[in-house]
Amino acid sequence: AQSVTQPDIHITVSEGASLELRCNYSYGATPYLFWYVQSPGQGLQLLLKYFSGDTLVQGIKGFEAEFKRSQSSFNLRKPSVHWSDAAEYFCAVVDYKLSFGAGTTVTVRA
Amino acid sequence: KAGVTQTPRYLIKTRGQQVTLSCSPISGHRSVSWYQQTPGQGLQFLFEYFSETQRNKGNFPGRFSGRQFSNSRSEMNVSTLELGDSALYLCASSPSPGEETQYFGPGTRLLVL
Repeated sequence: AQSVTQPDIHITVSEGASLELRCNYSYGATPYLFWYVQSPGQGLQLLLKYFSGDTLVQGIKGFEAEFKRSQSSFNLRKPSVHWSDAAEYFCAVVDYKLSFGAGTTVTVRA
Repeated sequence: KAGVTQTPRYLIKTRGQQVTLSCSPISGHRSVSWYQQTPGQGLQFLFEYFSETQRNKGNFPGRFSGRQFSNSRSEMNVSTLELGDSALYLCASSPSPGEETQYFGPGTRLLVL
């Protein structure tokens, strides 16, 4: 069965510093991968997705992710973090349903 | 386009009661999926509806049910509520089922006392 793993439960980063969130997937075929963000008490907002083609995908809010088949990874990055990026981030893979990782909580310190 | 809407946003019930949650998908989207989010289990798939038919179901007891109407709006029902049903229930819509991008609503926060 398809699955994703997010190894980091919590990451703290300084405002203005770069951010990288890890995601590893397990899927037999070419996976359809997503990153979602959730602010406290809110639903999930789609940041970006990878279906095929260019392995570096751009998303909203200045985020990007790189699909690496050799490493079964789909890591999310942002060059310079803003305080408003504090949230929980979920990586997910889809076949008929979304299977989510456990999430990574990002704290931004001033 | 308006996003996915869910009502109510917050709900408090007592054990043994039943509850119905509603979801209106993005206009033109015909597939609706439901997810349960809890601190212990994370995000788990409940079921998916397309063209008023349940296409897939997650590993939840029969107390959890749903339906979809001809206008694609969906409801989910939980009967005989248990304390463990306290969760954020998220609805997501997509144009069609399968490997499509799903867009989420704000969720319904259910507290069972």
